[in-house]
Order: sequence, then structure tokens, then C-alpha cells
Amino acid sequence: AQSVTQPDIHITVSEGASLELRCNYSYGATPYLFWYVQSPGQGLQLLLKYFSGDTLVQGIKGFEAEFKRSQSSFNLRKPSVHWSDAAEYFCAVGADTGNQFYFGTGTSLTVIP
Amino acid sequence: NAGVTQTPKFRVLKTGQSMTLLCAQDMNHEYMYWYRQDPGMGLRLIHYSVGEGTTAKGEVPDGYNVSRLKKQNFLLGLESAAPSQTSVYFCASSYRGRKNIQYFGAGTRLSVL
Repeated sequence: AQSVTQPDIHITVSEGASLELRCNYSYGATPYLFWYVQSPGQGLQLLLKYFSGDTLVQGIKGFEAEFKRSQSSFNLRKPSVHWSDAAEYFCAVGADTGNQFYFGTGTSLTVIP
Repeated sequence: NAGVTQTPKFRVLKTGQSMTLLCAQDMNHEYMYWYRQDPGMGLRLIHYSVGEGTTAKGEVPDGYNVSRLKKQNFLLGLESAAPSQTSVYFCASSYRGRKNIQYFGAGTRLSVL
């Protein structure tokens, strides 16, 4: 069965520091992977996606993620965090049937000045 | 562009009452989804639809019913609300297939007393 694990419930970083949010997935075939961001009181917005090809994908707002098949991971990174990046971040995998997506439990990011 | 619109944004129900949440999308998407979001649980799929007139159960369908009479609308019904259904509900839509991005509404915050 497909599943997504985000080991870090909450992360605090200083503004300007680098960021890495972890995501591990369980999936039998080639996964289709996504990172979404949710600002307080808002719906989810797509940051980036991986389907195939280059394992380092670029997204919006300066985010990138690297797919590592050997580690079943799809970690999200940003070189320099801005205060506006404070939000909840969700990793997701697209299922076999094409009809369902499985989300991780989310990582809450706090940015301190 | 409106995207995905959910109504209402907030609702308080008493145990046993019924209500319907409406989701409307103007992107001509084939697929539509209803999720619930609970602290520490991430997003869990309630029901989904792959086209007008078709619906299917997701991960947590009990206590909910859905209908998709028109392609642009997806209704989520609670026939007899229970406190366990207190949650934030999100609707999403996408084109067909797991490669396609889900677009989310802003959510409906429901409290059942």
C-alpha cells in the first residue's frame, strides 16, 4: 500500500537559514510525488512535482526537491528561508489507479527573525 | 479565475443535524475530491469522483455521502452529524490521472457540538 511519512511534525528555523523538510514514501512502482504548502486558513498550493527524469526538481518560491529512489525520499529544500515561508508543508504521492493521492501528516514551519 | 470554491466557509452543527457542503470548480476538471484535515492526521480522502454521475469511496467514507450531478459541482453530505466529524474539509479537483495537479479550495471549518 502507498504511504507517505513526514518525520518532522514541527521545525523552527531562523530567517535566512537553509531548510530541509523530509519526506519518505512507500510505493511499489515509479512514484509521482508532490509537495504542497498550506498557509494559515488557506487551501493547499502546489510547490513542485516529480514524475520522471531529472531527480532534482525546481518549484515556486525558490523551493527545490530531490528524488532519491534508493532512500525512498523526496526531501524539500530552500537555501534561504523568508519569514513568509512559515506555513504547513505536505508531501503527497499519486496512487496507481490515478484516482487517489496519499498525503503525509505535514510539517509545520516556524521562521524566527 | 475562481478555481475551486467551497461554501460555506464555517458552520456549527448540533449532533444529529444534517448539512451539505458544496464544491464548485470552473476549470473543467474531470476529477473531484473531498478530504478532511485533522491535527496530526494530514489530509484523508473521504470520497472522490472521476466524472459526472460517478463517485467512489476513499479512505474515510463512513458517515458521509456525495453526489456529482454536474461536472463542475461535487456535494458532500452529512446525514446525521457527529462530534467526530468536527474537522476542516477541503475540496480539490484535477484533470484525469495521477500526474495531474490537484487544485484545492480554501476549506470549510465544521464544528459539531
